[in-house]
Amino acid sequence: GGIITQTPKFLIGQEGQKLTLKCQQNFNHDTMYWYRQDSGKGLRLIYYSITENDLQKGDLSEGYDASREKKSSFSLTVTSAQKNEMAVFLCASSIAGAPAEQFFGPGTRLTVL
Amino acid sequence: GDSVIQMQGQVTLSENDFLFINCTYSTTGYPTLFWYVQYSGEGPQLLLQVTTANNKGSSRGFEATYDKGTTSFHLQKTSVQEIDSAVYYCAMRDNTNTGKLTFGDGTVLTVKP
Repeated sequence: GGIITQTPKFLIGQEGQKLTLKCQQNFNHDTMYWYRQDSGKGLRLIYYSITENDLQKGDLSEGYDASREKKSSFSLTVTSAQKNEMAVFLCASSIAGAPAEQFFGPGTRLTVL
Repeated sequence: GDSVIQMQGQVTLSENDFLFINCTYSTTGYPTLFWYVQYSGEGPQLLLQVTTANNKGSSRGFEATYDKGTTSFHLQKTSVQEIDSAVYYCAMRDNTNTGKLTFGDGTVLTVKP
């Protein structure tokens, strides 16, 4: 088994501030993902990384940057926080290739003041 | 583009009631279909998946059949319990190596004792 750790659990920032969310996994998975979860909506993909040196934009990448520092870690940066992007941000990982199951972390809840 | 539709935003049942959550999908080709469950304060976790059309997936008393004809993957359970209260997401994955999932908006299930 393994676990995905997301830090911090709660993140509060000011409008316009640059904020970074971190994710670590010990599954030894190749592929990692960042999703945004808005209340009453499904999960939307922000960025993903198929292997350690890869970075791909998802459907919601505008306003975000991501960095795959090493195989086990994947960070997401909100470049300029806005009130309309208060949401829960979920990190996930999987082995490479279809149709692998994605394992999710518990999420980081972002509040913008 | 790809889409997953869950029309029921909220479902409220009593214990031992029959559960039916509607899910339809739109894509080209033959995707892999999933149901994920998210308990309060946790990330989503895989409930069941089906990779082949006309096959049925089952787990913990839940069932879903991949119906290629109607492009549906409805979730059913004969007798729900209070511990089944959670958010249920239908999701679809194409057969490329990206592993990208497209999620429905989710259905909040509340089971009253």
